[in-house]
Amino acid sequence: DTGVSQDPRHKITKRGQNVTFRCDPISEHNRLYWYRQTLGQGPEFLTYFQNEAQLEKSRLLSDRFSAERPKGSFSTLEIQRTEQGDSAMYLCASSLQGGSTEAFFGQGTRLTVV
Amino acid sequence: EDQVTQSPEALRLQEGESSSLNCSYTVSGLRGLFWYRQDPGKGPEFLFTLYSAGEEKEKERLKATLTKKESFLHITAPKPEDSATYLCAVHNYGQNFVFGPGTRLSVLP
Repeated sequence: DTGVSQDPRHKITKRGQNVTFRCDPISEHNRLYWYRQTLGQGPEFLTYFQNEAQLEKSRLLSDRFSAERPKGSFSTLEIQRTEQGDSAMYLCASSLQGGSTEAFFGQGTRLTVV
Repeated sequence: EDQVTQSPEALRLQEGESSSLNCSYTVSGLRGLFWYRQDPGKGPEFLFTLYSAGEEKEKERLKATLTKKESFLHITAPKPEDSATYLCAVHNYGQNFVFGPGTRLSVLP
């Protein structure tokens, strides 16, 4: 399978705990995006990498959220001190650099904070 | 601020009943407009990219068109398997994709 892979698919955590999600992009893609989606809404931009550089972060991304992409390959998204409002689907996408090319999404990680 | 709106919010069609979904956008610099299909519990699946007004793309029963202010996704003779949420997104010069809320399409047999 050469698509975008996300792990885990589902995560249930208690409020206040830290969680980390992983995304493996399509191998030749150097752009990687993280989005959050709640029920009935479209995906909401969180952050974007080109290779290992984090080029843009949404103003909505609080200090409890951090993302990394070491060596420009896989990426991790960590949420510290989770809150119930963090419950959502977290989507990762990747695309090729150059012009405006489509992004391909993974199946997402469904986070439930109890 | 870049914005994308979609209408209708939800649409129910009988099998074979053609219709169109609308995507209206305001963006500081449009680099591309994208349509995605999303099934429940899954990530969005890429359908089309449109770059300039007047452009059209087709795939099976779907046809996407683009004007300077909006895009339409035309569905011809839909089947129940076309039931999904259809998302529209614009790619701006800030390099990220801005999504609309989607249109939930149900096609009844």
